[in-house]
Amino acid sequence: QQQVKQSPQSLIVQKGGIPIINCAYENTAFDYFPWYQQFPGKGPALLIAIRPDVSEKKEGRFTISFNKSAKQFSLHIMDSQPGDSATYFCAATQTGANNLFFGTGTRLTVIP
Amino acid sequence: DAGVTQSPTHLIKTRGQQVTLRCSPKSGHDTVSWYQQALGQGPQFIFQYYEEEERQRGNFPDRFSGHQFPNYSSELNVNALLLGDSALYLCASSLGLHRTDTQYFGPGTRLTVL
Repeated sequence: QQQVKQSPQSLIVQKGGIPIINCAYENTAFDYFPWYQQFPGKGPALLIAIRPDVSEKKEGRFTISFNKSAKQFSLHIMDSQPGDSATYFCAATQTGANNLFFGTGTRLTVIP
Repeated sequence: DAGVTQSPTHLIKTRGQQVTLRCSPKSGHDTVSWYQQALGQGPQFIFQYYEEEERQRGNFPDRFSGHQFPNYSSELNVNALLLGDSALYLCASSLGLHRTDTQYFGPGTRLTVL
């Protein structure tokens, strides 16, 4: 059973566009929602994370929107650049847990 | 400051063989988690080691086993390899248990089973 569902599978945008990646979860005990960025040949790197006490978090060009009642959260990348081309994973876990549950990933391509 | 390192980078094995993958955690970290990332999928949790003991295990068979050494480095062993074990194996380290919010991932070991 997939604990975290992610869409779309792939995304192509022009430079300067705002790609949006969506995730949904079922387990209401989850209370920590990170996003990871993975380049080919590299491990995932933490990009930004949110806890359910806020509905939005911004760090530079990256924004997480969180909807607790819908059990959904999304990543927005403002003014996207070709260097943002990578695979993005959402994840979820709960306080006290030792493992992350990952989505299936979104392959983002930013065209110059 | 060295991050998480893993060895080898790539590995090719045949069905039925056994494999050992190695991980050195980020400096100052004492907890190591292992994940399996199949092609086109997100990482899946295998298990976590802290104080040289397996603390939590994901939905993986007993063919997957591990070890943590006193210097906090870790090994992942997989016995009786199956074609389906082909994947990128990721090691993540953190400081202390229950710290998934500070997990740093290594570059992974790409295992191919023929």
